[in-house]
Amino acid sequence: KNEVEQSPQNLTAQEGEFITINCSYSVGISALHWLQQHPGGGIVSLFMLSSGKKKHGRLIATINIQEKHSSLHITASHPRDSAVYICAVSISRGAQKLVFGQGTRLTINP
Amino acid sequence: SAVISQKPSRDICQRGTSLTIQCQVDSQVTMMFWYRQQPGQSLTLIATANQGSEATYESGFVIDKFPISRPNLTFSTLTVSNMSPEDSSIYLCSVGSRLVVAAFFGQGTRLTVV
Repeated sequence: KNEVEQSPQNLTAQEGEFITINCSYSVGISALHWLQQHPGGGIVSLFMLSSGKKKHGRLIATINIQEKHSSLHITASHPRDSAVYICAVSISRGAQKLVFGQGTRLTINP
Repeated sequence: SAVISQKPSRDICQRGTSLTIQCQVDSQVTMMFWYRQQPGQSLTLIATANQGSEATYESGFVIDKFPISRPNLTFSTLTVSNMSPEDSSIYLCSVGSRLVVAAFFGQGTRLTVV
């Protein structure tokens, strides 16, 4: 079993729909990251969480430390949101060695 | 935040040859990492690049195949040696420091070995 599990692996939705991607982890962490990877391969950091909830534009990320679970929500989804979304955790405090989930491929159709 | 420049962005190489990927950061960072992402897979850490000393490799990765240099705090290279089609992947550079828990990545190098 992977230390970081994401669901779903693939998600197709219509423009405007509310999107939720889930991430569960089985190890102690110092932080959880949500990353976005576009087809070219480059990765952009969306959020870094250690507790609670963060919002940036149409994106919302939450984390429940007790349940070892995080969610990424996209409101009013748009075709430009189509990408692979990756959950990653930092296991060691202060270290940047990350353990990655498998990624969720999101496709938003117009 | 840190701005990372990685090059080349993509390359197509003949089997048996080697490719060196460069990673340049716009500020001094303590830690630099090299990751591999095979087609359809998640990212796997190859090694931690250490300034002034040998890189620390993860299980399954060896220096002869993936030599790494880090001559200073802002620059590192990863070489993929004696390439085979199985080395076709995206290779990514990442940076961080012990004081800043964040994830910064380069644009990635998409390597195809034919």
